[in-house]
Amino acid sequence: GQNIDQPTEMTATEGAIVQINCTYQTSGFNGLFWYQQHAGEAPTFLSYNVLDGLEEKGRFSSFLSRSKGYSYLLLKELQMKDSASYLCAVMDSNYQLIWGAGTKLIIKP
Amino acid sequence: IAGITQAPTSQILAAGRRMTLRCTQDMRHNAMYWYRQDLGLGLRLIHYSNTAGTTGKGEVPDGYSVSRANTDDFPLTLASAVPSQTSVYFCASSENGGAEETQYFGPGTRLLVL
Repeated sequence: GQNIDQPTEMTATEGAIVQINCTYQTSGFNGLFWYQQHAGEAPTFLSYNVLDGLEEKGRFSSFLSRSKGYSYLLLKELQMKDSASYLCAVMDSNYQLIWGAGTKLIIKP
Repeated sequence: IAGITQAPTSQILAAGRRMTLRCTQDMRHNAMYWYRQDLGLGLRLIHYSNTAGTTGKGEVPDGYSVSRANTDDFPLTLASAVPSQTSVYFCASSENGGAEETQYFGPGTRLLVL
């Protein structure tokens, strides 16, 4: 079966750094996506990785290891507005996205 | 219109009733998707369409039907609603449904079936 695992909830302090992990087992791999979803809103795209390594985009970075079936999203200089759920999704061999349940990130002042 | 719109925003529906959720995009994307999101679960694909005139079944298609008469619209119909269809429904689109393509989401429809 196909499976995406990520922690249910994490807490971090404003200004700090947090790493959200995602492990996956899917039938085929056509890339891994991270989305941000604020409560009551739609998911919005953050990053895409298809090759091993780190992709940096401002305060957010995403890492992929295909051999380990592992990715992480790194958020630096946390701001209160970063309080949201972070969704990991893998595109399988049928070009369909398989989604994790999301990690709710709580930022404390 | 900018992006993807969905209607209604929310709805309370009696079990057994028929309901159509509407989705319209103005990005001229070929691929469109319907997902449901339930607490503690990831987004699950209900149906998809890679181009006007074609549709396909996702992970959880039972009890739902779709049509794609043109590029812009992708309605989702619940023929006879049941309480287990209580969920938040998101419509999404991407350029052609291929690899590396970002999916863009509508604001969602919150449906309660009693």
